[in-house]
Amino acid sequence: ETGVTQTPRHLVMGMTNKKSLKCEQHLGHNAMYWYKQSAKKPLELMFVYSLEERVENNSVPSRFSPECPNSSHLFLHLHTLQPEDSALYLCASSQDQGGGLAGELFFGEGSRLTVL
Amino acid sequence: AQKITQTQPGMFVQEKEAVTLDCTYDTSDPSYGLFWYKQPSSGEMIFLIYQGSYDQQNATEGRYSLNFQKARKSANLVISASQLGDSAMYFCAMRDMMDSSYKLIFGSGTRLLVRP
Repeated sequence: ETGVTQTPRHLVMGMTNKKSLKCEQHLGHNAMYWYKQSAKKPLELMFVYSLEERVENNSVPSRFSPECPNSSHLFLHLHTLQPEDSALYLCASSQDQGGGLAGELFFGEGSRLTVL
Repeated sequence: AQKITQTQPGMFVQEKEAVTLDCTYDTSDPSYGLFWYKQPSSGEMIFLIYQGSYDQQNATEGRYSLNFQKARKSANLVISASQLGDSAMYFCAMRDMMDSSYKLIFGSGTRLLVRP
């Protein structure tokens, strides 16, 4: 299995729908992330979970709700989204080794979301 | 505040030639890590190379090398012997190694096209 798997790969939803993005990592890492990639903008960090606790929330609107039930799974629950939320949502994981050691992120292939 | 700047939105290179992708950064933190990622059209972000701020030598990984000039705050990626499969978006990123928030800041990316 690939390191980080995201489903669905493509999602089209209306503004009143509720949907969820799923991420699963098979690398034994202890941190997981959601990033948003919009056209012509740098990747934006949305949420970070370390050891299943949220450690970072970058002022993301409440219509995005993350959930991390265990160290291998991460969800992004979506409701009442806006058209400007259309983007590629990338999940990543890393192993935080402590002591300032580098923990490169391993990304999934992303879920491309279109909000109509 | 940390910032990553990639001034080249697009680059062309002839197959088998070398190419340099520019990256400058700004941080007041003494300990940081610099990363380069490749994003092919499939969407997945692929980790390429890492340079720590205290590393004495420039990082190398196969055909990738990082030209780290600390005083100039630049971390350019050099790809030698370009291949057609190198055509992709390339992102420079930085992480403050003393920050427990795991935040990885990305630049806006450079699209590289390798010509046959």
